[in-house]
Amino acid sequence: DADVTQTPRNRITKTGKRIMLECSQTKGHDRMYWYRQDPGLGLRLIYYSFDVKDINKGEISDGYSVSRQAQAKFSLSLESAIPNQTALYFCATSAEGLTEAFFGQGTRLTVV
Amino acid sequence: GNSVTQMEGPVTLSEEAFLTINCTYTATGYPSLFWYVQYPGEGLQLLLKATKADDKGSNKGFEATYRKETTSFHLEKGSVQVSDSAVYFCALMDSSYKLIFGSGTRLLVRP
Repeated sequence: DADVTQTPRNRITKTGKRIMLECSQTKGHDRMYWYRQDPGLGLRLIYYSFDVKDINKGEISDGYSVSRQAQAKFSLSLESAIPNQTALYFCATSAEGLTEAFFGQGTRLTVV
Repeated sequence: GNSVTQMEGPVTLSEEAFLTINCTYTATGYPSLFWYVQYPGEGLQLLLKATKADDKGSNKGFEATYRKETTSFHLEKGSVQVSDSAVYFCALMDSSYKLIFGSGTRLLVRP
């Protein structure tokens, strides 16, 4: 089983719908991140969390919200999806004392 | 703010050619630097890292040296293989423990 698991892997949704992307990890890491990947733009940070009670906005948080339900779970919500939120979304984890992050397989989201 | 700039792709090489992908960064303090690789249909995997000036990260024949004087972390490989075809991302981890990525460089290696 993967250490960082994202569900769903693929999703097509309609404009205006609410959608939740889920991330769970078995690495025991405190830090969790949500990124989106767009062609030619690399990965941009949406939100990050360093523990259950700590939530921080990244560079592109508008239109998104997150929930850290437990140390191992970090969900990303789009309250009212719009087409320019079509992208590949990645969850990542890291731990205190580590400098690198570990990524899930990604969720490909299409908003039509 | 902190940022990473890497050369645009795609980079197309023949098998066994020498590879260089340029990466420069802007950051306060002394960030850790990384190269991540993304194979088709997969997530990102750490390729190599360096945590302080003059450190050399290496893995699978790839190397990069942390050059503080030129704020660079260029990726090199002496002889690429078809299996190296992927997208390569340069990144830094800043003092707030956020990973900041470059825009990615697609590498295509032809037999």
